[in-house]
Amino acid sequence: LAKTTQPISMDSYEGQEVNITCSHNNIATNDYITWYQQFPSQGPRFIIQGYKTKVTNEVASLFIPADRKSSTLSLPRVSLSDTAVYYCLVGVQTGANNLFFGTGTRLTVIP
Amino acid sequence: KAGVTQTPRYLIKTRGQQVTLSCSPISGHRSVSWYQQTPGQGLQFLFEYFSETQRNKGNFPGRFSGRQFSNSRSEMNVSTLELGDSALYLCASRGTSGTQTQYFGPGTRLLVL
Repeated sequence: LAKTTQPISMDSYEGQEVNITCSHNNIATNDYITWYQQFPSQGPRFIIQGYKTKVTNEVASLFIPADRKSSTLSLPRVSLSDTAVYYCLVGVQTGANNLFFGTGTRLTVIP
Repeated sequence: KAGVTQTPRYLIKTRGQQVTLSCSPISGHRSVSWYQQTPGQGLQFLFEYFSETQRNKGNFPGRFSGRQFSNSRSEMNVSTLELGDSALYLCASRGTSGTQTQYFGPGTRLLVL
């Protein structure tokens, strides 16, 4: 699985848009990009997944440039409840591949 | 659909004991993976089961084992518990179609005294 690099932490004020960028220079042709959110003492929660260009759901947007060597998770108008650790994962989620979780990005939303 | 469930949610054991954790995947999912999460090491992959067979294994000692039943429910066992085994143990299941996204359960918090 391709390894990823994310900022260790970020702070944001309530109501702002937050963008978390993840680098994955060794992404393979078949790899998807997946983001998870994790609150303390809970399991990671799937947020969004994409392969290229832009994906949007009710929670977030995922922007992937043409070379796919990075991706940006965008959280619109964050609230205090968005304070969590966000993990970016890259890989083919088929066959016998397990997930490699890096350190993630600890997002703190400030009132 | 109901999500991934794990039992028990919390557990306290003493060194040398053994423990068995249980995971019920999302209905229709045949793959179950186990992860250990500690503050120092983060989230680490233990093993994955698919159709009752272990098909992938992380870098953990043999004290950590698992199995999967015909209904896809899985159990994880840790024998001869050590203090360092205190962690949040997470189970994730995934289907066999599409991008096979993994969905996690709430975890079992194990404390070894």
